[in-house]
Amino acid sequence: GQNIDQPTEMTATEGAIVQINCTYQTSGFNGLFWYQQHAGEAPTFLSYNVLDGLEEKGRFSSFLSRSKGYSYLLLKELQMKDSASYLCAFMDSNYQLIWGAGTKLIIKP
Amino acid sequence: DTGVSQDPRHKITKRGQNVTFRCDPISEHNRLYWYRQTLGQGPEFLTYFQNEAQLEKSRLLSDRFSAERPKGSFSTLEIQRTEQGDSAMYLCASSLEYGTRPYEQYFGPGTRLTVT
Repeated sequence: GQNIDQPTEMTATEGAIVQINCTYQTSGFNGLFWYQQHAGEAPTFLSYNVLDGLEEKGRFSSFLSRSKGYSYLLLKELQMKDSASYLCAFMDSNYQLIWGAGTKLIIKP
Repeated sequence: DTGVSQDPRHKITKRGQNVTFRCDPISEHNRLYWYRQTLGQGPEFLTYFQNEAQLEKSRLLSDRFSAERPKGSFSTLEIQRTEQGDSAMYLCASSLEYGTRPYEQYFGPGTRLTVT
């Protein structure tokens, strides 16, 4: 079967670093996506990993371990505007995105 | 820069009525997806098109839902005989089949449906 799991909610302090984990199980895999979604808005693309390792893009980095079925999103120098839900999704063998429920990130001053 | 657009942004309807939503994808994108999202959940796949062909439809989608993409450009999603459980945000996304980031999906702003 297929499943994907991420924490429901996390809290962090402005200026700090936070890591959001995602674990998944699937027989067919074509990459792991992270999206950001502010309340009431559509998801926006953050990162895509298809090979093992770390992809860095400014304050955001994403890591993938295919053998462990594990990914994380690392956010550095947190800003208040980073308060949002972060959605993890993997692409299955039919090239469909299977989504997690999202991690609500709360940033405190 | 024209992204994905959806119309209407909000729709309130009475139970039993039919509703139709429209999605205009990014012009060069040949793949178009429909999702449904409820509060606190990730998007749930409904269906997707490659050009004008509907290639996959979720097994969870009842016969009350139908989607079309007649000319491989815009798409419509119709819900017949709406039920209160249909209340959700309906998201449309589009992507390219090929390129440096194939299958990266760009989302529209969504249509929020409320069934009373």
